[in-house]
Amino acid sequence: ILNVEQSPQSLHVQEGDSTNFTCSFPSSNFYALHWYRWETAKSPEALFVMTLNGDEKKKGRISATLNTKEGYSYLYIKGSQPEDSATYLCAFKGNNQGGKLIFGQGTELSVKP
Amino acid sequence: NAGVMQNPRHLVRRRGQEARLRCSPMKGHSHVYWYRQLPEEGLKFMVYLQKENIIDESGMPKERFSAEFPKEGPSILRIQQVVRGDSAAYFCASSPGSSRTTGYFGEGSWLTVV
Repeated sequence: ILNVEQSPQSLHVQEGDSTNFTCSFPSSNFYALHWYRWETAKSPEALFVMTLNGDEKKKGRISATLNTKEGYSYLYIKGSQPEDSATYLCAFKGNNQGGKLIFGQGTELSVKP
Repeated sequence: NAGVMQNPRHLVRRRGQEARLRCSPMKGHSHVYWYRQLPEEGLKFMVYLQKENIIDESGMPKERFSAEFPKEGPSILRIQQVVRGDSAAYFCASSPGSSRTTGYFGEGSWLTVV
């Protein structure tokens, strides 16, 4: 059974704080790692697709790194803003899994003004 | 450029009735995936379809659930004889042919079985 774990489960920070969370995934048969941002009652919004070991991607104040050999990815948010409040999901796609994604439980981020 | 469209957004069914959830993929996308989020759980893969073909249904419950993606029209997830445990949010995602691209999600259909 493929397992994708995210930590922490939830995070409460003050506006302006920088924060990071972790996604752990199987280190074998790796194909891609996806990060999504998900607000309640909306569709998950794609942030990054990461495919190569050592990959680093950036989108505004959000960045992500990837280590496929040890099976983890970090998502960083610099200078958190209240509008960053959402659940951040990572999803693993394996080599022999077709197109399906295996999702973690998500990290729920709350940024207080 | 419309995104992935799901309907209905909310559906209430009595136990034993049938539920039909529809998903229209983004224009040009021929791959559709259905995921389910049960209360207090994460998103779980159900089924992967291409036009007129089921590619992977390893996440579908063996009974009462079926999915199709016809040549014309939306993909449909059908749940027969619904039970309370089917109450969940059902999400559809679509992607073009390349499996390295991200999936674009719809806003989900919330099924409540009373």
